[in-house]
This record gives sequence, structure tokens and C-alpha cells, in this order.
Amino acid sequence: AQKVTQAQTEISVVEKEDVTLDCVYETRDTTYYLFWYKQPPSGELVFLIRRNSFDEQNEISGRYSWNFQKSTSSFNFTITASQVVDSAVYFCALSEPHSSASKIIFGSGTRLSIRP
Amino acid sequence: DADVTQTPRNRITKTGKRIMLECSQTKGHDRMYWYRQDPGLGLRLIYYSFDVKDINKGEISDGYSVSRQAQAKFSLSLESAIPNQTALYFCATSDGTDSNQPQHFGDGTRLSIL
Repeated sequence: AQKVTQAQTEISVVEKEDVTLDCVYETRDTTYYLFWYKQPPSGELVFLIRRNSFDEQNEISGRYSWNFQKSTSSFNFTITASQVVDSAVYFCALSEPHSSASKIIFGSGTRLSIRP
Repeated sequence: DADVTQTPRNRITKTGKRIMLECSQTKGHDRMYWYRQDPGLGLRLIYYSFDVKDINKGEISDGYSVSRQAQAKFSLSLESAIPNQTALYFCATSDGTDSNQPQHFGDGTRLSIL
């Protein structure tokens, strides 16, 4: 069965520190997709990244980077030189194309607070 | 204008009332979804639809019903609201041509059942 675990419920760091949000997933499929979404205090959900199971290259987008490791079933998200605007709840999610529906299973989220 | 619009944005109502939450999209996507978000539980899928009049149950469909009469609209109903349905509700859409395209979310409806 699919499962996504975000063990860090809340993280608080001082601005300009680097911070890593952990995501561990479980799946029986060899083909699957992983996602990260951001939910700022205003409440909307913003798509950040999608990664398929055959592409283990790490990705960098500005201050954001993602480390995908199939060996440990992890898809961690790092923010470098954090800023107050990064404060949000971040969700990791998993989908399997061969499941009965194109639905995404979400982790419970990590609330990130960046202190000035 | 937002691509995925939810109405109302906020609603307070009493136990036993029937409530309908509306979702409309301008993205032309075939697939639409309803989720609820509770603190510490992430998002849980209530119902989803892959096409007009196609309805599928998610993991927590009890107490809810949906209607997909048009491609652009997907409504969620609570037939007789109860307090534990108090939550933040999200509608989402995705492109039906690729089963793993990211989902695009509305801004959410905050529902309180007294």
C-alpha cells in the first residue's frame, strides 16, 4: 500500500539557515511519481516539483533543492539560505500510475517557520 | 481570474443542514477531485471524477456526495452536516492525458459545523 511519512511535524529556524524537510514513502510499484507542495499561511496549495521513479537526478531551483534516493525511499527537500517568505506547511505526496485512480497520497505535512 | 475557483470561501452552518460546495475550473482538465484537510492529517481524498458523470469514492466518502454535470464543474454536498466535518476543503484538477500530472488546487473552503 502507498504511504507517505513526514516525520517532522514542525521545524523552526532562523532566517538564512539551511533547512531540510524529510519525506519517506512506501510503494510496491516500480513506477511512481513524487511531489512537493507548499501551503503558505494564506492557505492555497502550490505545486513545487514532480519527480518520476526513473529519474534519480537531484534537482535545484534557486534556493530549493530536492534529493531523491530510491535506496532509502526518500525524497527530501532542502531550502538554502531560508527566508521568512518560506514559512509555510510543506506536503510531500506520492502517486502510482497503475493504481485504480490517478490520485495522490499526501503526507501529513511539515510546518516550517522561519524567524527573522 | 483563478484557474480553479471554489465557492464559498468560508461557511458556518449548523448540524443537520445540507451544504453544497462548488468548484469550477477554466483549465479544461478532465479530472477533478475533492479533498479535506485536517490539522496533522494532511489531505485526504473524498471523491474524484475522470469525466462528466464519472464518480469514484476516495478514502473518506461517507457522509458526502458529489455531482459532475459538466466538465468544468464538480460540486460536493454534505447531506446532513455534522461537527466532525468541520475542515478545510480543497477542489483540485489534473490533466487527463497523463495520469501523473500535478494537481492544481483551488484556494479552499473553510467549513465550520456548529
